[in-house]
Amino acid sequence: DTEVTQTPKHLVMGMTNKKSLKCEQHMGHRAMYWYKQKAKKPPELMFVYSYEKLSINESVPSRFSPECPNSSLLNLHLHALQPEDSALYLCASSLDTRSGTEAFFGQGTRLTVV
Amino acid sequence: AQSVTQPDIHITVSEGASLELRCNYSYGATPYLFWYVQSPGQGLQLLLKYFSGDTLVQGIKGFEAEFKRSQSSFNLRKPSVHWSDAAEYFCAVGASNFGNEKLTFGTGTRLTIIP
Repeated sequence: DTEVTQTPKHLVMGMTNKKSLKCEQHMGHRAMYWYKQKAKKPPELMFVYSYEKLSINESVPSRFSPECPNSSLLNLHLHALQPEDSALYLCASSLDTRSGTEAFFGQGTRLTVV
Repeated sequence: AQSVTQPDIHITVSEGASLELRCNYSYGATPYLFWYVQSPGQGLQLLLKYFSGDTLVQGIKGFEAEFKRSQSSFNLRKPSVHWSDAAEYFCAVGASNFGNEKLTFGTGTRLTIIP
């Protein structure tokens, strides 16, 4: 199994809503990542978890709150988002964060904030 | 800090023709280099990677890439493209002292295939 599974595939939410994105992998990877990708742009790193601990937060606004309940699962909690937060949110995992380990990406969640 | 440049925003190629997508990187130490492909609305799929050793790297779907340290390049090639190769292609560099934590993507090259 070399899959990273993200749910939901599409999400529409209002600016006052609270929602969560979910990411799951069963490859035994100990590093997991959240990326944000705007249309026609490359992915931008948001958060990195290493062995279930947050190791990098790329100055992401607090309306995005990551959580790693266990080594297979990564969540992104969303609250009070803005329309400019509409994007494709990609989850990725890798064996760990050592140099050269390749990242496997999920299919993404297409988020629209209205 | 590392950076990646993909000079070609959009390339159009006839089906069956050869393809070369350009990638130039900037990094002070030995880079870890990747090519990813993304179909519309989808996630990223790894085509190939270079860590060390042989500078000509073979990947999936008939793609290959050549690492040229003297030119700071990692160009992607395919001898004969298929209509299914139409997608966005991203070159990425990983910092060897941070590993995947600092994976930096280029701006991408959109590939269109014409019959």
